[in-house]
Amino acid sequence: IAGITQAPTSQILAAGRRMTLRCTQDMRHNAMYWYRQDLGLGLRLIHYSNTAGTTGKGEVPDGYSVSRANTDDFPLTLASAVPSQTSVYFCASSETSGDLETQYFGPGTRLLVL
Amino acid sequence: GQNIDQPTEMTATEGAIVQINCTYQTSGFNGLFWYQQHAGEAPTFLSYNVLDGLEEKGRFSSFLSRSKGYSYLLLKELQMKDSASYLCAVRDGDYKLSFGAGTTVTVRA
Repeated sequence: IAGITQAPTSQILAAGRRMTLRCTQDMRHNAMYWYRQDLGLGLRLIHYSNTAGTTGKGEVPDGYSVSRANTDDFPLTLASAVPSQTSVYFCASSETSGDLETQYFGPGTRLLVL
Repeated sequence: GQNIDQPTEMTATEGAIVQINCTYQTSGFNGLFWYQQHAGEAPTFLSYNVLDGLEEKGRFSSFLSRSKGYSYLLLKELQMKDSASYLCAVRDGDYKLSFGAGTTVTVRA
């Protein structure tokens, strides 16, 4: 059982380029999340999806977009990357978005925007 | 907005006990989580409190006081492998998690 996989593991990207970070889970979880983690700031929620076909904005959504065409996949797209988007990106999932549900995290994507 | 505070760093000796405090001010409350994160790895779930009191799970315990907006994670019988960052996270009224910046615990031999 893989759990949550993310791709790529790491990436160096030129500013202005478009980039999609991939996230796939095989636990049939309804809810999925994207976070970025920056030194001294902790994890911050970018976008989330409570179920396939729906998405919502988190704390820091600007410059990012997501889609949830099916239960398993939740890609995060940077339309035109900027250096401030240099970060470690974690995808997470939980069975539902309700009470008692623990979030499980993928291994992360380390992104450097130059 | 959410405000979650925890110490930046703590150091302790192998076999000792360390207590990591977390204070929070959030819009709504639906539980408090503790996660462990080793360097370069993903966070992993440690504990969950939604009611006041102590939850014990092996060498790790977590305490919550909702009236004080306060929690702590207690690590007993410290081992070298416990060197990691510990993240306090509060689930708000919309069931979204807000994380503190994390406490880096270094265990010395």
